[in-house]
Amino acid sequence: AQSVTQLGSHVSVSEGALVLLRCNYSSSVPPYLFWYVQYPNQGLQLLLKYTSAATLVKGINGFEAEFKKSETSFHLTKPSAHMSDAAEYFCAITEGRGGKLIFGQGTELSVKP
Amino acid sequence: DAEITQSPRHKITETGRQVTLACHQTWNHNNMFWYRQDLGHGLRLIHYSYGVQDTNKGEVSDGYSVSRSNTEDLPLTLESAASSQTSVYFCASSTPGPPGETDTQYFGPGTRLTVL
Repeated sequence: AQSVTQLGSHVSVSEGALVLLRCNYSSSVPPYLFWYVQYPNQGLQLLLKYTSAATLVKGINGFEAEFKKSETSFHLTKPSAHMSDAAEYFCAITEGRGGKLIFGQGTELSVKP
Repeated sequence: DAEITQSPRHKITETGRQVTLACHQTWNHNNMFWYRQDLGHGLRLIHYSYGVQDTNKGEVSDGYSVSRSNTEDLPLTLESAASSQTSVYFCASSTPGPPGETDTQYFGPGTRLTVL
């Protein structure tokens, strides 16, 4: 069965600092991986997705993630945090086509001035 | 613009009552999904549909049902609401991606349900 684990339910960074949100996955087949962001009282918005075309995936708002098969990881990074990045971030995996997503438990990102 | 909407946005009900949450999308997507979001669990799949008259159970389907009579709508019904079903509910839709890619799901704004 597929699963994802997000390390750290809360991450706090200073404005301008590196953002690193960790996601590890488990899958018996080549996975498709996603990062979604949820702002307060809103639905989920797609940040980026890995579909095997390239291991380094660039998304919206300056975020990127690198797929590392040897480490079964898909960590999300941003070089310089903005106050507007404060939100909850979800890593998700799907098995092949059909789109059923399995989500991690989420990481809440706080950005300090 | 095409979109996905959910109604109501907030709902308070009593234990034992039947409740229906609406989901409507105008993208003409075949695939539609219902998830619930709870602290510490992320989002978990309740039911999903790949087209009209098709419905399937997800990870946490007990106490919930769906029906798909047209492409645009997938209502979620709680047959007899329980306090354990207090949660935020998200509807999503997707369409198959190009060869070699998977679908991308697009989410509605959510419905916050409280069962007293």
